[in-house]
Amino acid sequence: EDKVVQSPLSLVVHEGDTVTLNCSYEVTNFRSLLWYKQEKKAPTFLFMLTSSGIEKKSGRLSSILDKKELFSILNITATQTGDSAVYLCAGHYYGGSQGNLIFGKGTKLSVKP
Amino acid sequence: DGGITQSPKYLFRKEGQNVTLSCEQNLNHDAMYWYRQDPGQGLRLIYYSQIVNDFQKGDIAEGYSVSREKKESFPLTVTSAQKNPTAFYLCASSIGTGTEQFFGPGTRLTVL
Repeated sequence: EDKVVQSPLSLVVHEGDTVTLNCSYEVTNFRSLLWYKQEKKAPTFLFMLTSSGIEKKSGRLSSILDKKELFSILNITATQTGDSAVYLCAGHYYGGSQGNLIFGKGTKLSVKP
Repeated sequence: DGGITQSPKYLFRKEGQNVTLSCEQNLNHDAMYWYRQDPGQGLRLIYYSQIVNDFQKGDIAEGYSVSREKKESFPLTVTSAQKNPTAFYLCASSIGTGTEQFFGPGTRLTVL
């Protein structure tokens, strides 16, 4: 059965800390891996990773995919209280002739001042 | 402003009643999706549609129905056959099947 597993499920850090969020996947017909940030309501898109070993960066956030080990990490450096959110990882696969997402349960990050 | 809108934000219904959740997008995206999110759980796919007048069941389609008569609209009906309908419902759209999905603000449905 296809699955995406995120760890840890929750994490509490202090401002300025660096955090690493983990995502492992077992997805048939894997296409790409996506990271989203969900604060109150709508998840907002962060990264889409399709190639192994190529880091994607956006400000203090970065992510990388390892297609051999079926693993991705999301790094956040110099955390701020505004980074507090649930971070969702999703495996994108070919479903029939179309693409769909399988989501992990998310990592709830709390950044304390 | 381009984006995805969902209405209403909060919805309360009695058991046994059907209810329809609205999802509209003006991004000119071909694909649209409905997800359900329960506390402490990831998003689970209910239905998706790649083009107008076509839609496919996701992992948890039982008790739900959809239509896609217009490109910009993808309403979801939660029927009385859905055993546990209280949840947060998210609509998403994407340009095509290989691109990232963008989400609406969600509708929180509570069945009393």
